[in-house]
Amino acid sequence: DAGITQSPRHKVTETGTPVTLRCHQTENHRYMYWYRQDPGHGLRLIHYSYGVKDTDKGEVSDGYSVSRSKTEDFLLTLESATSSQTSVYFCAISDGGIWTEAFFGQGTRLTVV
Amino acid sequence: KQEVTQIPAALSVPEGENLVLNCSFTDSAIYNLQWFRQDPGKGLTSLLLIQSSQREQTSGRLNASLDKSSGRSTLYIAASQPGDSATYLCAVMDGTASKLTFGTGTRLQVTL
Repeated sequence: DAGITQSPRHKVTETGTPVTLRCHQTENHRYMYWYRQDPGHGLRLIHYSYGVKDTDKGEVSDGYSVSRSKTEDFLLTLESATSSQTSVYFCAISDGGIWTEAFFGQGTRLTVV
Repeated sequence: KQEVTQIPAALSVPEGENLVLNCSFTDSAIYNLQWFRQDPGKGLTSLLLIQSSQREQTSGRLNASLDKSSGRSTLYIAASQPGDSATYLCAVMDGTASKLTFGTGTRLQVTL
């Protein structure tokens, strides 16, 4: 299995509080991604990174920010959590290119109450 | 904007049947297409990757085909087993920033 670790695996937080999710990889892959998975919507891209300090927005980036200060770590921050951000969050990694598979972490279940 | 559609949304078959899952996408400028499996409450497991110039890829009882010009892929599962019960997702990787766009999946149940 690809070395991807997400933490925490489960979190309950209150509306308005900041939350940071962490993704750690041991594969030295260039690309890292944050997706959220919701019933009826499938997986949607929040933000991605194509290198240290190089990040860009995905289709549902409002209310989220990311940082990547090291190759192995990609952080997703909810600046002020809202109930609409209750979801399962997945981190993925890829080396880029046509032959490269994407590998996913086990997910973080976030509940905002 | 790339859109990926999977049909059917759910499927129930008796053990031993061969089955086909369908995936279609709107923009044919893709790097590759990947099929994933997701068990309830779990992450995604990569099953097969088809590079954009390939026609098909096989792994055990699984065979995936790709027709890039028509924007379609199929996942064929031979001799289905109860352990195949899961949600199957297809995803296309674009040619710009290696981003994956997912379909909403097909939930498969294989009954005894």
